[in-house]
Amino acid sequence: DSGVTQTPKHLITATGQRVTLRCSPRSGDLSVYWYQQSLDQGLQFLIQYYNGEERAKGNILERFSAQQFPDLHSELNLSSLELGDSALYFCASSTTGNSPLHFGNGTRLTVT
Amino acid sequence: TQLLEQSPQFLSIQEGENLTVYCNSSSVFSSLQWYRQEPGEGPVLLVTVVTGGEVKKLKRLTFQFGDARKDSSLHITAAQPGDTGLYLCAGGAGGTSYGKLTFGQGTILTVHP
Repeated sequence: DSGVTQTPKHLITATGQRVTLRCSPRSGDLSVYWYQQSLDQGLQFLIQYYNGEERAKGNILERFSAQQFPDLHSELNLSSLELGDSALYFCASSTTGNSPLHFGNGTRLTVT
Repeated sequence: TQLLEQSPQFLSIQEGENLTVYCNSSSVFSSLQWYRQEPGEGPVLLVTVVTGGEVKKLKRLTFQFGDARKDSSLHITAAQPGDTGLYLCAGGAGGTSYGKLTFGQGTILTVHP
């Protein structure tokens, strides 16, 4: 158990809808990362937050947004969903911005 | 854009055999990490190598970082069925972007008893 909790585990929704994925980092970890894993693209970095502030951005679509709250949990919001957004979404956390990552078990999003 | 090419994509071997997985890039990385991922779970960090030419051993697993820090390899000696899983290499940019990792496509390893 990595100590990183992601909810929900599975999410099935329709095209055009909006969903929110939630991540609780390991106790004491200040940095949260979001990654997307799909069959064709593999694991892709989306965005990083550190102590509530956005630290780095990857190939995150404009329809996607994230935030980290004062209690350090993070949410990834996906809107105007398309079939191609179906993927596993992983959250990871680390103690600081340059320490090893601990991944959660992911949220499997299916867009129909 | 930094890319990591991982090979082979699939590996199916018998218990007791040795194997090597390669991870290559045209870019220099400040660190190279290897993860193992099992179905329904997130990737779990196996090792981080940061120095060109560095070799690290973890029981039957040997990890090497190329001298130019552009490539890495994972060698497993006497593979066991418990080694079955998806192996991922990931390159790190370093500094405050430590966790902004570029992942290879992965190697699915199946070890048959």
